[in-house]
Amino acid sequence: EVQVVESGGGLVQPGGSLRLSCAASGFTVSTNYMSWVRQAPGKGLEWVSIIYSGSGGTDYADSVKGRFTISRHNAGNTLYLEMNSLRPDDTALYYCARTKFPYWYFDVWGRGTLVTVSS
Amino acid sequence: IPVTQSPSSVSASVGDRVTVTCRASQDIGNWLAWYQQKPGRAPKLLIYETSNLQSGVPSRFSGSGSGTDFTLTISSLQPEDFATYYCQQANSFPLAFGGGTRVEMK
Repeated sequence: EVQVVESGGGLVQPGGSLRLSCAASGFTVSTNYMSWVRQAPGKGLEWVSIIYSGSGGTDYADSVKGRFTISRHNAGNTLYLEMNSLRPDDTALYYCARTKFPYWYFDVWGRGTLVTVSS
Repeated sequence: IPVTQSPSSVSASVGDRVTVTCRASQDIGNWLAWYQQKPGRAPKLLIYETSNLQSGVPSRFSGSGSGTDFTLTISSLQPEDFATYYCQQANSFPLAFGGGTRVEMK
């Protein structure tokens, strides 16, 4: 079965750091484009970051550029999101999503992991 | 490229035809997708490239449009269709979602 499972969320103070993980099964992370999408409580969806198949090139939303880093571990078939300098407005449910090239839509989603930034 | 959805909510009954509109701030060709999200659940892909139905999605869902104006239509609303619907422009980065349209029971 094709699926992704996120983990690593939690409560962190403003200015702190957190690392999210996304374990994939049924497909290979390194041969697919993978994204993080977040949803603040009661709000809409916001694309956060993408890592490209093969080369591992990356792109980020302006709201997280310079603070977040997307990466993957090919052997472990796992996607990561390293989040630094966290702010209260980063509070959200973070989804991992397989991203179809070249159509740039998201066809496989996890259940998400909740990040709360608060003192 | 920002995208704007309307209405933000709609009240409808089972069997009704429901239409949701998405407008892009500039031409995005056919690069638009639609998702359904139910409370406490992850979004589910319904339609990609404006009108292509994702595998397993009922045929009562359809999409149309091009350029800047797009439409999601549910031909005959079913009880399981009460949810929030999002459009997403897939033309260029940063990828962007509409604000959502909540389909509520009348």
